[in-house]
Amino acid sequence: GNSVTQMEGPVTLSEEAFLTINCTYTATGYPSLFWYVQYPGEGLQLLLKATKADDKGSNKGFEATYRKETTSFHLEKGSVQVSDSAVYFCALRGYNNNDMRFGAGTRLTVKP
Amino acid sequence: EAGVAQSPRYKIIEKRQSVAFWCNPISGHATLYWYQQILGQGPKLLIQFQNNGVVDDSQLPKDRFSAERLKGVDSTLKIQPAKLEDSAVYLCASSLAEGEQYFGPGTRLTVT
Repeated sequence: GNSVTQMEGPVTLSEEAFLTINCTYTATGYPSLFWYVQYPGEGLQLLLKATKADDKGSNKGFEATYRKETTSFHLEKGSVQVSDSAVYFCALRGYNNNDMRFGAGTRLTVKP
Repeated sequence: EAGVAQSPRYKIIEKRQSVAFWCNPISGHATLYWYQQILGQGPKLLIQFQNNGVVDDSQLPKDRFSAERLKGVDSTLKIQPAKLEDSAVYLCASSLAEGEQYFGPGTRLTVT
């Protein structure tokens, strides 16, 4: 079945450091890929998405590119801020719009 | 617009008791999802409804879990009887047919 493997955390960075959180997937067909974020005390919210190969999703300075050849969707940000501290989840949705799968989550802490 | 509503926010029960959770999705959202998020893990999809029909319940433990969405709007998820390993946050989400999922605040269940 479909699955998502996400870089284990926690990750601790200093402000303005470069961030990469790795995500790889296994899926049949052509899934849609997502990054969700959960800020402390808040619910899950969509950060960015990509629905086909080579698409790049971006939002709030974060970006991720749908790489079919490496089955990856790594999250990157050039310069993190303290306010980016949160748990980040990689997810996929099956090509027939069901079978939503999430990774285990990566906790990011950014220190001033 | 109002977000996804869930109740109760917290519930503590003893093992072998039953419990029910309620979800009211965003108005007009045809698709409704129930997830189980165990501490330290990503959300696991339990069931997906399209209007009042089930699209995916492959990960729902049907011997003890049940869910319904009789009028295609709000939904209830029931556990009967509960086990210790059911302790988790139960998340409800809704979306337009293939759009972004919007998550509710969740119900934190503790089984003692």
